[in-house]
Amino acid sequence: RKEVEQDPGPFNVPEGATVAFNCTYSNSASQSFFWYRQDCRKEPKLLMSVYSSGNEDGRFTAQLNRASQYISLLIRDSKLSDSATYLCVVNKGNTPLVFGKGTRLSVIA
Amino acid sequence: EPEVTQTPSHQVTQMGQEVILRCVPISNHLYFYWYRQILGQKVEFLVSFYNNEISEKSEIFDDQFSVERPDGSNFTLKIRSTKLEDSAMYFCASSDILGHNFYEQYFGPGTRLTVT
Repeated sequence: RKEVEQDPGPFNVPEGATVAFNCTYSNSASQSFFWYRQDCRKEPKLLMSVYSSGNEDGRFTAQLNRASQYISLLIRDSKLSDSATYLCVVNKGNTPLVFGKGTRLSVIA
Repeated sequence: EPEVTQTPSHQVTQMGQEVILRCVPISNHLYFYWYRQILGQKVEFLVSFYNNEISEKSEIFDDQFSVERPDGSNFTLKIRSTKLEDSAMYFCASSDILGHNFYEQYFGPGTRLTVT
């Protein structure tokens, strides 16, 4: 079983749509959870850390379900500039980040 | 906003040659990392560095690889004898301790290494 699994997509959505990505992780000892965004041939950029209580940052909402080992990211009112690959990332304390392969999103005008 | 910087942005080298990739982490960060990403694949961990020594390394980080923090600002990755399969994007990252034990890692723009 892969450590971090994501649906690779692509998700093709119109501007203004709401889109949700899911991710599962296999290591129950994982403590920290993140969503990064990666544009083509660029570095991963931290989008948000995912807290146990869930958290929201503008149009982005992240949820964590430790019992199911499941993380989600919801993007509301999609913009063209949201087109990117979204990486689900976990680690334990200050250990190396473990990346999923990413979910590709294309927002279409 | 502070950021991680990396040089060069692109390095082309012949098989068997040595390369040194350079990084300047965010100035008040204490933890440093190298990751790589082969085209079309996921980001993979290579090595982490704290308090002037390697704290963890992956199976990829064999004897051909080494890291150094030669001064107070630079963090380097050396590949002694490059192989074709070393061709990848190499990302440097740094982090510091936040509250509630979160260590958010910030990535540099990467060095694209092409081995011919």
